[in-house]
Amino acid sequence: DVKVTQSSRYLVKRTGEKVFLECVQDMDHENMFWYRQDPGLGLRLIYFSYDVKMKEKGDIPEGYSVSREKKERFSLILESASTNQTSMYLCASLPRGRGNQPQHFGDGTRLSIL
Amino acid sequence: RKEVEQDPGPFNVPEGATVAFNCTYSNSASQSFFWYRQDCRKEPKLLMSVYSSGNEDGRFTAQLNRASQYISLLIRDSKLSDSATYLCVVILRDDKIIFGKGTRLHILP
Repeated sequence: DVKVTQSSRYLVKRTGEKVFLECVQDMDHENMFWYRQDPGLGLRLIYFSYDVKMKEKGDIPEGYSVSREKKERFSLILESASTNQTSMYLCASLPRGRGNQPQHFGDGTRLSIL
Repeated sequence: RKEVEQDPGPFNVPEGATVAFNCTYSNSASQSFFWYRQDCRKEPKLLMSVYSSGNEDGRFTAQLNRASQYISLLIRDSKLSDSATYLCVVILRDDKIIFGKGTRLHILP
């Protein structure tokens, strides 16, 4: 079974702080994704990566950056956290050739920015 | 028209009843379809893939109608534990992944 692990289930930070959300997967998947999920807005793609050191902007990349130094780890960085970044953050992974494969999600991180 | 649309619900259904909901998609270049289940404050989990010929997994049946561009999920003999939000996912031929916003289902005792 695929295991996608996010570093924290709940996190509280202050406005202006630099925040790191970590995601690790154990299935050697090439593709990794970061989403945020908000009531009424569904899942929105922030960034994704299709290989080590590769990254692509999703639909809402503003205020975020990512890092993929190792295949198994994909980090989401809030450079200067703001209250509108309070949300549920979900990491997912997928093998290469993903056209007919479902994504596997981590448990999610509930981030509150005060 | 939104790329993937679902009725947000909630669907309030008595235990033991059959319930069905649809998900419509606008892009004809869609290659793969999935239903996910998401419990409150939890991550989405794959429920089932949706195949052109339709597929069944126990009490759950998924169907794809390419001509009308929708997929459906049917739950028979519903249980209290089926209460969740059901997300429709469409993958386009360029591998873009699109999520519906989900349909909330409440099974009533």
